[in-house]
Amino acid sequence: EDKVVQSPLSLVVHEGDTVTLNCSYEVTNFRSLLWYKQEKKAPTFLFMLTSSGIEKKSGRLSSILDKKELFSILNITATQTGDSAIYLCAVEKSIQGAQKLVFGQGTRLTINP
Amino acid sequence: KAGVTQTPRYLIKTRGQQVTLSCSPISGHRSVSWYQQTPGQGLQFLFEYFSETQRNKGNFPGRFSGRQFSNSRSEMNVSTLELGDSALYLCASSFQEPGFLQYFGPGTRLTVT
Repeated sequence: EDKVVQSPLSLVVHEGDTVTLNCSYEVTNFRSLLWYKQEKKAPTFLFMLTSSGIEKKSGRLSSILDKKELFSILNITATQTGDSAIYLCAVEKSIQGAQKLVFGQGTRLTINP
Repeated sequence: KAGVTQTPRYLIKTRGQQVTLSCSPISGHRSVSWYQQTPGQGLQFLFEYFSETQRNKGNFPGRFSGRQFSNSRSEMNVSTLELGDSALYLCASSFQEPGFLQYFGPGTRLTVT
């Protein structure tokens, strides 16, 4: 059975700290791994990773994928209160041409001022 | 370009009733996926439609059904509602094939009493 596991499930840090969120997976027909940020309702896209070892960066956020060990990490440096959200990891798989996302439980990140 | 829209945004139903939720994808997107998000289970895949055909289905009972119209708009229906169906229902659209990014709508918050 496909599985995506995120850790920690919850994290509380102070503004300015650096955080690392983890995502491990066991998914057949892997196509890509995605990170989303969910603040209120709709998850918003952060990164799509398809190749191992290539870091993707966007401002203070970065992410990398290890397809051998089947995990990804999302780093946020110099955290701000606006980074408080649920961070979702999802693995995209292909099933007979159809697209499906398998999500982890999410990590609830709280940044205290 | 307008994003994914979902209606209604909030809904309160009683056990035993049925409900229909609507999703309008981003213009040009032909694939629509539905997800259920609950605190306990996280985001779980319901089904995916492409060109009015269901291509993929998650592990949900037959009470959950959906359809897609020729204009790519999609509806999902839940019959004989149970308390456990209370959740945020998210719709996501993507261009066409696996590998294209899914964009999420704001969701419909369904409460079953």
